[in-house]
Amino acid sequence: QKEVEQNSGPLSVPEGAIASLNCTYSDRGSQSFFWYRQYSGKSPELIMSIYSNGDKEDGRFTAQLNKASQYVSLLIRDSQPSDSATYLCAVIGWMDSSYKLIFGSGTRLLVRP
Amino acid sequence: DVKVTQSSRYLVKRTGEKVFLECVQDMDHENMFWYRQDPGLGLRLIYFSYDVKMKEKGDIPEGYSVSREKKERFSLILESASTNQTSMYLCASSSGYNEQFFGPGTRLTVL
Repeated sequence: QKEVEQNSGPLSVPEGAIASLNCTYSDRGSQSFFWYRQYSGKSPELIMSIYSNGDKEDGRFTAQLNKASQYVSLLIRDSQPSDSATYLCAVIGWMDSSYKLIFGSGTRLLVRP
Repeated sequence: DVKVTQSSRYLVKRTGEKVFLECVQDMDHENMFWYRQDPGLGLRLIYFSYDVKMKEKGDIPEGYSVSREKKERFSLILESASTNQTSMYLCASSSGYNEQFFGPGTRLTVL
């Protein structure tokens, strides 16, 4: 079982819609959760971090965390074509006898004009 | 802002050459990481370091070595480059058990 799982997509949404990206993780003791955006040919860029259950909003982005269900999501409101990218979920989890930042394989988002 | 820089954006080398990839961060982070990223395989950790002169193997260390002589600099070395090491190489740094910040990446082609 992968430690951090994401649907690879592509997730296709029309411009202006809400894009919902989901991530599940296996380490119940995880406390820190991050979303990165990666444009094609570029490096990952941190866009959101969340540490407590509930929602955290930053502009058009909302991160949602449910530790009981081991589930973290990213909502992008009013999606724009410039949001088209791969979104990586990352979790601080216990692996190989130490805490590590564990990445999912990413969900590709396509926003249609 | 955290700044992580990598010595080259694009690099072309020949099979058998020794290749050095350099990474420098300016935020006094104690942790530094090297990943490679290939289509369909996601980010794979090669080596990481929690302190100067310390190094730990990641998931795919074979064919690579690293050097960390100064806190701000972490080098990845391909002892004898092979075609299957053609990839995007990403350096990252972090403080404690926190988010990692990435450099721009080096796209290495081995012919």
